[in-house]
Amino acid sequence: DAGVIQSPRHEVTEMGQEVTLRCKPISGHDYLFWYRQTMMRGLELLIYFNNNVPIDDSGMPEDRFSAKMPNASFSTLKIQPSEPRDSAVYFCASTTRTGGPQPQHFGDGTRLSIL
Amino acid sequence: KNEVEQSPQNLTAQEGEFITINCSYSVGISALHWLQQHPGGGIVSLFMLSSGKKKHGRLIATINIQEKHSSLHITASHPRDSAVYICAVAGGADGLTFGKGTHLIIQP
Repeated sequence: DAGVIQSPRHEVTEMGQEVTLRCKPISGHDYLFWYRQTMMRGLELLIYFNNNVPIDDSGMPEDRFSAKMPNASFSTLKIQPSEPRDSAVYFCASTTRTGGPQPQHFGDGTRLSIL
Repeated sequence: KNEVEQSPQNLTAQEGEFITINCSYSVGISALHWLQQHPGGGIVSLFMLSSGKKKHGRLIATINIQEKHSSLHITASHPRDSAVYICAVAGGADGLTFGKGTHLIIQP
């Protein structure tokens, strides 16, 4: 059974460029979360979706960040324009609440470096 | 917003020792998660608790809802247990709020 799949694993780009991170949740999971991990702030929730609909985007740092979930099997997190302070590891996670709360399953993360 | 505090921040122990990591939170929750992250690696869910105690192999997690406190125990610790252990809480349908993590090193 495939887990949460994120791509790319690593991304290095220059300041000002557009960055797109991708996530494929586990089939059947109806919740999808985007998290960011930095040394200074640890892990933080950016946004989450339920049934492809954004529920809480209060963690999105600013308008340069946007996230979409066009269907149940795909989500993107976009940064435009990117800045050096966006350098972090970005994790996607998915879960379902069928039958009650369930653990979240995390992807391997995308390590993003903005030069 | 929930405040999640973990202690200790860093812990070095000898192989075989009994390990305890603590987590406290400020606001009532629907569930508490213990996660493990190896250096440069992904995040693995170890436990999800809403009450009582759970055990998996050498790992035990407990939660006291009234005191807003949870502990993660590792019995007969092994160098492969070296990792960052992260406590995270969920309120209702929200995403997780995380502690800063405990860096655990088990020396042979």
